[in-house]
Amino acid sequence: TQLLEQSPQFLSIQEGENLTVYCNSSSVFSSLQWYRQEPGEGPVLLVTVVTGGEVKKLKRLTFQFGDARKDSSLHITAAQPGDTGLYLCASLNTDKLIFGTGTRLQVFP
Amino acid sequence: GAVVSQHPSRVICKSGTSVKIECRSLDFQATTMFWYRQFPKQSLMLMATSNEGSKATYEQGVEKDKFLINHASLTLSTLTVTSAHPEDSSFYICSTLTGNGYTFGSGTRLTVV
Repeated sequence: TQLLEQSPQFLSIQEGENLTVYCNSSSVFSSLQWYRQEPGEGPVLLVTVVTGGEVKKLKRLTFQFGDARKDSSLHITAAQPGDTGLYLCASLNTDKLIFGTGTRLQVFP
Repeated sequence: GAVVSQHPSRVICKSGTSVKIECRSLDFQATTMFWYRQFPKQSLMLMATSNEGSKATYEQGVEKDKFLINHASLTLSTLTVTSAHPEDSSFYICSTLTGNGYTFGSGTRLTVV
């Protein structure tokens, strides 16, 4: 079973700071997704990356897929309190979606 | 887009009783439903995959006799936690794959006292 390790586990920052979350795997991803989950809700899809080296931007969020497709990063510029949540990378394993260990982000005003 | 309705959103039950969680696809037919469990401050762990009209497939370490899954129709999958214990207290989420990707229910917070 593919294991997805995320780092850091927890991140507590001030509004306006930048941050990067990492997702690493022991094996190659066929594709990778990033989700954000707020307490008491299901995760919401942010982006899907498929091609090695791919970079996608979503407003202040920049997603990068490693050239070897074994790692990915999520960079947030000028974090805001509304960015607070649990960030999860996820990989498709046949039809099953396997989630990473998660990064809990807290942005203080 | 596709909507998955999960019910109840919260449930408190006594130790030893059973709890049923329902997951309905409101505007599409879901032949496959995925059930996840999430402990506090942790990620989602896949428990099982339910398939309409056939037996569910359980992930390693998940007791199929404790977590009964039924997927009798294309719009409804249920997860029953049998003989619940406090350690079963968790957030349970269902999900299905549609043409737009994975759609998640809003989750059920189960507390066993």
